[in-house]
Amino acid sequence: GDQVEQSPSALSLHEGTGSALRCNFTTTMRAVQWFRKNSRGSLINLFYLASGTKENGRLKSAFDSKERYSTLHIRDAQLEDSGTYFCAVANNAGAKLTFGGGTRLTVRP
Amino acid sequence: GGIITQTPKFLIGQEGQKLTLKCQQNFNHDTMYWYRQDSGKGLRLIYYSITENDLQKGDLSEGYDASREKKSSFSLTVTSAQKNEMAVFLCASSPTGVQNTLYFGAGTRLSVL
Repeated sequence: GDQVEQSPSALSLHEGTGSALRCNFTTTMRAVQWFRKNSRGSLINLFYLASGTKENGRLKSAFDSKERYSTLHIRDAQLEDSGTYFCAVANNAGAKLTFGGGTRLTVRP
Repeated sequence: GGIITQTPKFLIGQEGQKLTLKCQQNFNHDTMYWYRQDSGKGLRLIYYSITENDLQKGDLSEGYDASREKKSSFSLTVTSAQKNEMAVFLCASSPTGVQNTLYFGAGTRLSVL
């Protein structure tokens, strides 16, 4: 089946710094979606991309279908950014998303 | 905006028990999904449904039944709960079309004694 790998599995950042999360997949995917799971367990939509890049505040995501990866960049990290970030990819069949294992982000003062 | 409501939020069952989880959405979305999340792992698809009365198996359908009684409602049944099982079950919905963005409910946390 489709394979989705996220890296790193865990990440610790100091407030005000930034980093990138990566999502690699084994076959050509139609689209990628990024989520954050907050402390209450809710999955929050961050981005949906079928190509290119999108930016929202301190977050920016890129999707390269040909090279089979997507990235999520966080800049000027804040304490409330802590949580687990998941990428999910949609294959050409459309209805089904395959999720990565997640990256647990901890932002420290 | 719409909302996805999952009930119950917490479910405690006995080994071998049949357990039903419910999900309602008022987005008027065509497609609904049930995912399972185990600690430290990504979400795995159990069942999904692209319209009322439709049912499609996901990667983890064995041990589960599902029912799409109407467009707004998608239920999941654990046919025989496994001892010491602990997981979070997440319901999601998405509109039909090119942009298949998923919207998730808050989850049902299952514990089996």
